[in-house]
Amino acid sequence: DAGITQSPRHKVTETGTPVTLRCHQTENHRYMYWYRQDPGHGLRLIHYSYGVKDTDKGEVSDGYSVSRSKTEDFLLTLESATSSQTSVYFCAISESRLAGVDEQYFGPGTRLTVT
Amino acid sequence: GENVEQHPSTLSVQEGDSAVIKCTYSDSASNYFPWYKQELGKRPQLIIDIRSNVGEKKDQRIAVTLNKTAKHFSLHITETQPEDSAVYFCAGGGGTSYGKLTFGQGTILTVHP
Repeated sequence: DAGITQSPRHKVTETGTPVTLRCHQTENHRYMYWYRQDPGHGLRLIHYSYGVKDTDKGEVSDGYSVSRSKTEDFLLTLESATSSQTSVYFCAISESRLAGVDEQYFGPGTRLTVT
Repeated sequence: GENVEQHPSTLSVQEGDSAVIKCTYSDSASNYFPWYKQELGKRPQLIIDIRSNVGEKKDQRIAVTLNKTAKHFSLHITETQPEDSAVYFCAGGGGTSYGKLTFGQGTILTVHP
C-alpha cells in the first residue's frame, strides 16, 4: 500500500459538533482527494487539492471544508456534523502526471457516525 | 462534468465462469478509465486501467475493453475464483476534469464455489 494514513479510523460524534479528519501521505504526491462512500452511491468526491493551499470542490462539498498547508497533510472538516454525514471517508493521492489524471491510491478509510 | 453509470449492481456466478461488468461515461474528453476492487472492510485497490489510445488491455485473468465511439468500457474476469468476490468500481477522468475521477456506483460480485 502507498504511504497513506488516515486519522482517526473510527469516530462517533453528536449532531452539531465540529469534526476534523486527517489524511497524511509520505509519497510526496501532488494531488490529494477526499471521498465519501455510501451504499448505492459508490465513491463521491467531496474536495480535492492540486497543491499546497490549492483546493477545489467536488460533487458533494456542501457542509465540508478542507485545508492543505503542507504537501503531506490534507484535512477535512465538518463544521457542524449532521446525521446525513454518517459515512465512510476515504482519502486518496495521485501524482497525476500523465494526460491530466493518473492512478489514485486510497487510504484505509475513516468510519464516521453522527448521532 | 463526467457521469459514469455502472451495471449490474450485483452479479452472482459459479466458480470458473466468466464475469462481465459494464460502464458508460458521458464526457467524450475523458481519457483514463481505471477499475478498482474493494474487499469487505478494505480500501479500494486498482486492478487494471486503460487509456483512450488503447482498445483493450489484459492482465492474466482480467481484461478491460474500451469503445470510445459508444463511450463505454467493460471489465472481464475469466475463470472466476471465490477470492474474486468483492465490490468492483469503474471510474472515468482526465480530459476536462483534470486530476479528477468520477466513479460508478459499484458492482457486488459473488463467486460461488
